[in-house]
Amino acid sequence: DAGVIQSPRHEVTEMGQEVTLRCKPISGHNSLFWYRQTMMRGLELLIYFNNNVPIDDSGMPEDRFSAKMPNASFSTLKIQPSEPRDSAVYFCASTLLSGANVLTFGAGSRLTVL
Amino acid sequence: AQSVSQHNHHVILSEAASLELGCNYSYGGTVNLFWYVQYPGQHLQLLLKYFSGDPLVKGIKGFEAEFIKSKFSFNLRKPSVQWSDTAEYFCAVRGTGFQKLVFGTGTRLLVSP
Repeated sequence: DAGVIQSPRHEVTEMGQEVTLRCKPISGHNSLFWYRQTMMRGLELLIYFNNNVPIDDSGMPEDRFSAKMPNASFSTLKIQPSEPRDSAVYFCASTLLSGANVLTFGAGSRLTVL
Repeated sequence: AQSVSQHNHHVILSEAASLELGCNYSYGGTVNLFWYVQYPGQHLQLLLKYFSGDPLVKGIKGFEAEFIKSKFSFNLRKPSVQWSDTAEYFCAVRGTGFQKLVFGTGTRLLVSP
């Protein structure tokens, strides 16, 4: 298995632009998480999905952030409009609900907003 | 809601020194506990986990952790570190039966050769 696949690995954009981060979970996993990692706040859970349905989005910082999971093999995290304080590494992780429920993380998307 | 404290933000050790990283959590019920490692430029990888049973858990690469329920602690240990252990280490907690995994702020370990 190729693991959790995230794209892009690096993105540099200007303030005000729309950013879309993508995640492909491990095949067969039915739970997907989006985390944000910054020096100041560490790893923060933004949102997670079970069976493509958003369960808890209380970590999404504000309305500029949105996440979707249109099917079991794809999720997006969108920031519109982006701001410099959104600069961070965004990690996607997936797991199988019925098992030990251990998260497997992707390599992350490093976002820099100028 | 659960929370995790990692009191050591930066640790510097020489090779062959012993390691202990502190982790304390706050949660009123039973918990699942994890240690993840993030090597420079890489993603998080699971080192070890505790769900139930023997409170002394052994993980990969010679790491172990001990769950002490009375102290709400899950400290990570390794008897003799190597230069390749240089990484950031994250403790995480999840209430049993819940999905939300909460991470500590991490401890950066630098092992000098």
